[in-house]
Amino acid sequence: DADVTQTPRNRITKTGKRIMLECSQTKGHDRMYWYRQDPGLGLRLIYYSFDVKDINKGEISDGYSVSRQAQAKFSLSLESAIPNQTALYFCATSGADSRSYEQYFGPGTRLTVT
Amino acid sequence: AQSVTQPDIHITVSEGASLELRCNYSYGATPYLFWYVQSPGQGLQLLLKYFSGDTLVQGIKGFEAEFKRSQSSFNLRKPSVHWSDAAEYFCAVGYTGTASKLTFGTGTRLQVTL
Repeated sequence: DADVTQTPRNRITKTGKRIMLECSQTKGHDRMYWYRQDPGLGLRLIYYSFDVKDINKGEISDGYSVSRQAQAKFSLSLESAIPNQTALYFCATSGADSRSYEQYFGPGTRLTVT
Repeated sequence: AQSVTQPDIHITVSEGASLELRCNYSYGATPYLFWYVQSPGQGLQLLLKYFSGDTLVQGIKGFEAEFKRSQSSFNLRKPSVHWSDAAEYFCAVGYTGTASKLTFGTGTRLQVTL
């Protein structure tokens, strides 16, 4: 089984709808991240969390919110989806200390907002 | 602010030829450097990493990279490319004190001709 899983893998939604993307991990890592990938822009950090009580904004957090329900679960919500949030979304995890920069990625969720 | 430049958006090489993908980073501190590969429809897989020590690092799938502090570079190399290496490659950098956040380059898409 994959260490980092994301659901759904694909989603089409309409403008104004609320949508949640979920991430689960079995790596036992404390740190979790949400990125979005757009063609030609690479990956950009949306939110990150170092433990259940620690949530931090990344470089592009506007329009997004997150919830860390447990060490192994980190959800990303779009409160009111808009077309320019159409992208590929990745969840990642990392361990602590010197290994904390070594991130492991899920398979991604392709989101289309019409 | 930290940044990563991958100057080549798209590279085409023949199968069996050598490969070098360029990556330059900006910032003064000692970086943690990574190369990830993304095959079509897949998540990001870690190819190799540099934390400290030997500046030539070996990774999976026959890839290697060399950290050159004087040039702020961390170029990825492979002596003989296989058709299955066709993918998108991302360089990423992190620094001590930046809370394990990584900054990604915009990616280089590799095409392999037979």
